[in-house]
Amino acid sequence: NAGVTQTPKFQVLKTGQSMTLQCAQDMNHNSMYWYRQDPGMGLRLIYYSASEGTTDKGEVPNGYNVSRLNKREFSLRLESAAPSQTSVYFCASRGAQSTDTQYFGPGTRLTVL
Amino acid sequence: GENVEQHPSTLSVQEGDSAVIKCTYSDSASNYFPWYKQELGKGPQLIIDIRSNVGEKKDQRIAVTLNKTAKHFSLHITETQPEDSAVYFCAASFTNAGKSTFGDGTTLTVKP
Repeated sequence: NAGVTQTPKFQVLKTGQSMTLQCAQDMNHNSMYWYRQDPGMGLRLIYYSASEGTTDKGEVPNGYNVSRLNKREFSLRLESAAPSQTSVYFCASRGAQSTDTQYFGPGTRLTVL
Repeated sequence: GENVEQHPSTLSVQEGDSAVIKCTYSDSASNYFPWYKQELGKGPQLIIDIRSNVGEKKDQRIAVTLNKTAKHFSLHITETQPEDSAVYFCAASFTNAGKSTFGDGTTLTVKP
């Protein structure tokens, strides 16, 4: 059982470049999330998808777009990367209830030069 | 929206001592409070959680207490071991919210 997988593990971009972070879960979860983690700032929610076909902004959505491709996959796109987007990005998924456990992926470490 | 504050930001204890991490939340509607452990280079993992209809929950060396009136909850780790060294996050959410709000994390170091 793979749980939540993320690709790539590491990425270096130049300012202005674009890229898509991929996330997939095999637990048949309804909800999926994208967080960024910066030193001393904990986990900040970028976007989430409560169910297939829906997406909502989180705390820090500017500069990002998301796609809930199907129930399994939730991607995060940076259209024009900026140094301020240097961070570790985590994808997570959860079952139907808000009191269900969130399962996190291993993270993508992104550096924007 | 919900605001979660977590203290302390860093905590250093001797092996065998107890460690306590505290969180406060602002939204009285919150009814689910999980705690996550994040080891270096990995994603957070749930270690224990508590719902608002319960005041305390224990799982071996780990316990969580909840005071709904004061809107705070705490993680207690007894007989700490070096492998407990990690970053710990608290979170709060409420039914049908769709999302959780996380504290900023506590870096726990257990010295052998």
